[in-house]
Amino acid sequence: GNSVTQMEGPVTLSEEAFLTINCTYTATGYPSLFWYVQYPGEGLQLLLKATKADDKGSNKGFEATYRKETTSFHLEKGSVQVSDSAVYFCALYNTDKLIFGTGTRLQVFP
Amino acid sequence: DTEVTQTPKHLVMGMTNKKSLKCEQHMGHRAMYWYKQKAKKPPELMFVYSYEKLSINESVPSRFSPECPNSSLLNLHLHALQPEDSALYLCASSQGADRGYQETQYFGPGTRLLVL
Repeated sequence: GNSVTQMEGPVTLSEEAFLTINCTYTATGYPSLFWYVQYPGEGLQLLLKATKADDKGSNKGFEATYRKETTSFHLEKGSVQVSDSAVYFCALYNTDKLIFGTGTRLQVFP
Repeated sequence: DTEVTQTPKHLVMGMTNKKSLKCEQHMGHRAMYWYKQKAKKPPELMFVYSYEKLSINESVPSRFSPECPNSSLLNLHLHALQPEDSALYLCASSQGADRGYQETQYFGPGTRLLVL
C-alpha cells in the first residue's frame, strides 16, 4: 500500500539555523511527492513538489529532492526564520488519492 | 492564480441545525475534494468529485451531504451533526482526475466548525 512517514516533532530551532525534516514513503509505481505547510489557524498551502525521481522541488528557500533509491523526500532550508514556524506535511499522490504523513511542527525562536 | 475560497470561515451550530459549507475555485479545475482535519492530525479525505460527479465517498456518515452544482462550486450540507464532528473542513481542487495524471491539489483556508 501507500504510506508516508515523517519525523516526530516538534522541531525547535533558533533563527538562521539549518532545517531538515525527514520524510520517507512506500508506494507502488511512481508517485508524485509534495510538501504542504499549515500556519496556525489556516488551511494547507502547497510548498513544493516533485513528480519524478531526482527532481528537486524548491520554493521560499525550502528544497526537497525525490530520491527513489532511498524512497525519501526530505525537506531542507539553509536558514530558518521565525515566520517559518508552522506544521509541515509530506504527502504522496498515487492513482487517485493524496496520502499525508502525520505532520511535523516546526518552532523557530529568535 | 491558485486560489480556493471557502465560506464561512467559522461556524457554530447545534446538533439539530442544518447548515452548509461552500467552496469555490476559478482555476478551471475538474476535480474537487472535501477533507476533515482534527487538531494535530493530517487531513482525512471525505469526498471526491470528478467532472461534477461523486467519484469517492470515504464511508462518510449520511449527516454530511456533498453537492457539486457546477464545475466551480462545491457544497457540503450538514444536518444533525455530533460534537465529535467539530473540526476544520478543508476544500481542495485539482486539474483533473485522470488516472496517472500528475495531480496537484490546492487547498482553501478551511471552515472551522464547532458543534454544540
